[in-house]
Amino acid sequence: RKEVEQDPGPFNVPEGATVAFNCTYSNSASQSFFWYRQDCRKEPKLLMSVYSSGNEDGRFTAQLNRASQYISLLIRDSKLSDSATYLCVVNSVGTASKLTFGTGTRLQVTL
Amino acid sequence: DTAVSQTPKYLVTQMGNDKSIKCEQNLGHDTMYWYKQDSKKFLKIMFSYNNKELIINETVPNRFSPKSPDKAHLNLHINSLELGDSAVYFCASSQDYGNRRVEQYFGPGTRLTVT
Repeated sequence: RKEVEQDPGPFNVPEGATVAFNCTYSNSASQSFFWYRQDCRKEPKLLMSVYSSGNEDGRFTAQLNRASQYISLLIRDSKLSDSATYLCVVNSVGTASKLTFGTGTRLQVTL
Repeated sequence: DTAVSQTPKYLVTQMGNDKSIKCEQNLGHDTMYWYKQDSKKFLKIMFSYNNKELIINETVPNRFSPKSPDKAHLNLHINSLELGDSAVYFCASSQDYGNRRVEQYFGPGTRLTVT
């Protein structure tokens, strides 16, 4: 079983739609959680951290369920510029900051 | 004002050759990383250095040898290149405050093709 699992998609949605991505992680001792965004042929960039109480940043809402080891990302009012691959990322326990990436969920927003 | 830079951006070479990829960050971070992203887009950590000391060394063939001459640089040398080494290699850096919630900044990647 992969440490971080995501539905690879692609998710094809029209502009203005609401779309949700899910992610599960296997290590119950994981401490920190993130969503990164990766555009085609570009480097990953941090989209947002995920806090236990859930957090929102504009049109983006992230949720964490530690009991179920489940993370979600909700994008409201999708824009064409949201088209990218969204990577679920977990920081493993240990002495170093080691990020474990999911394989990513591809989103394509269309007119 | 590039934060994390890598050279070269593209590298095409033949099997059996030895090549190096260089990485530099000007963010003043103390921790640097190498990641490999394969053809299936799976991004996996290879190495991490903190203040020039190796702290993460995943299961990577001995042909891969990182080297950190100072906190701002982390180079990756690959010996006897194989077809399976073809991938995009990303360098990243972060500041370790002893807090797991640290953002890693990635370089633009080096696309290595082994023929």
